[in-house]
Amino acid sequence: AQSVSQHNHHVILSEAASLELGCNYSYGGTVNLFWYVQYPGQHLQLLLKYFSGDPLVKGIKGFEAEFIKSKFSFNLRKPSVQWSDTAEYFCAVINTNAGKSTFGDGTTLTVKP
Amino acid sequence: EAGVAQSPRYKIIEKRQSVAFWCNPISGHATLYWYQQILGQGPKLLIQFQNNGVVDDSQLPKDRFSAERLKGVDSTLKIQPAKLEDSAVYLCASSLKFSGALSYEQYFGPGTRLTVT
Repeated sequence: AQSVSQHNHHVILSEAASLELGCNYSYGGTVNLFWYVQYPGQHLQLLLKYFSGDPLVKGIKGFEAEFIKSKFSFNLRKPSVQWSDTAEYFCAVINTNAGKSTFGDGTTLTVKP
Repeated sequence: EAGVAQSPRYKIIEKRQSVAFWCNPISGHATLYWYQQILGQGPKLLIQFQNNGVVDDSQLPKDRFSAERLKGVDSTLKIQPAKLEDSAVYLCASSLKFSGALSYEQYFGPGTRLTVT
């Protein structure tokens, strides 16, 4: 069965600290990978995505993620967080065979000013 | 462009009652998704449409949930009868299409917060 695991449920950082949020998935075939973000009071929106090619992808607001196929991982990183990055972050997988979409349970990031 | 529209935004019902949610996707988007998001969890896919055909409904509790997408545009999700454990936010999302190796970005609506008492 297809699943997504986000290991960190709640992360608290000070401004300018570096961020890494873990995401692992289980699916034996080809996948497309996504990170979505939900700022307080707003809709879920796309942060970045990976389809193929360079495993290091860059998204909006200085975020990047690296796809490591051998580890089934797609971790999200940002070198220096800001207070405005406070939000909930979701990793998602779509398998290219059936197109089924699966989300992780999310990581709440709190950035202290 | 207009985003994904959902209504109502909030709904409170008693258990065993029925409820319906409506979603209007972004114009031209062929794929429509309904998710259930229980507090503290990620969105769980209930049903996925490609135009007006069902792509995946493996996690839809078919004894009480139903969904349709007439004419391949807007969609309704119904719960009948509701249970306490159905309390959640119901999210609708749409994407341009799904075509094998290329999955398009999903655009989410604001959701409907359902409380079953």
